[in-house]
Amino acid sequence: EDQVTQSPEALRLQEGESSSLNCSYTVSGLRGLFWYRQDPGKGPEFLFTLYSAGEEKEKERLKATLTKKESFLHITAPKPEDSATYLCAVLQTNRDDKIIFGKGTRLHILP
Amino acid sequence: DSGVTQTPKHLITATGQRVTLRCSPRSGDLSVYWYQQSLDQGLQFLIQYYNGEERAKGNILERFSAQQFPDLHSELNLSSLELGDSALYFCASSVGLAGEEELFFGEGSRLTVL
Repeated sequence: EDQVTQSPEALRLQEGESSSLNCSYTVSGLRGLFWYRQDPGKGPEFLFTLYSAGEEKEKERLKATLTKKESFLHITAPKPEDSATYLCAVLQTNRDDKIIFGKGTRLHILP
Repeated sequence: DSGVTQTPKHLITATGQRVTLRCSPRSGDLSVYWYQQSLDQGLQFLIQYYNGEERAKGNILERFSAQQFPDLHSELNLSSLELGDSALYFCASSVGLAGEEELFFGEGSRLTVL
């Protein structure tokens, strides 16, 4: 069964303490992998799209990387405003346009 | 503000009832997606429409139905409601068909079934 698994489920960091979130996927073919940020009570907000293994994208303190089996979202020197749930999603080849989301990682940055 | 509008924001109803959730996509976006989010299941894809036509279907129950109108707004109809249908329902839109570009999400409709 096609799956998107994110780990850890929750992560608490001190402000400035860098870390990485993991998204592993088992799909028959990948057309794209997406990262979204979701604040409580809000809809997800787009961060990155990665299309092929080896690709990297950066935005402020966030960097997303992709391998053939997983993606990492690296957070460098996080600030309290980076606290949110980070969602990973995949779009598969030959499977219409169904985008499958993982359950997310709840990130809490302590000041 | 994503530009996607969902109404109502909150809805409380009883088991067995029927509700309609409405979504207006961003101006110019032709694709509309519906997702259900609950605490234990995460974001579950329900259905996608593109320019009025059903494009992809996920784990949408037979009690649920959706449509996209000529003005591109979409409605999700939930009937014979059960306690387990309580969740946040999100609508998202995108410009094109293939889903490879970013999705813009609304703020959701929180449904509580008592």
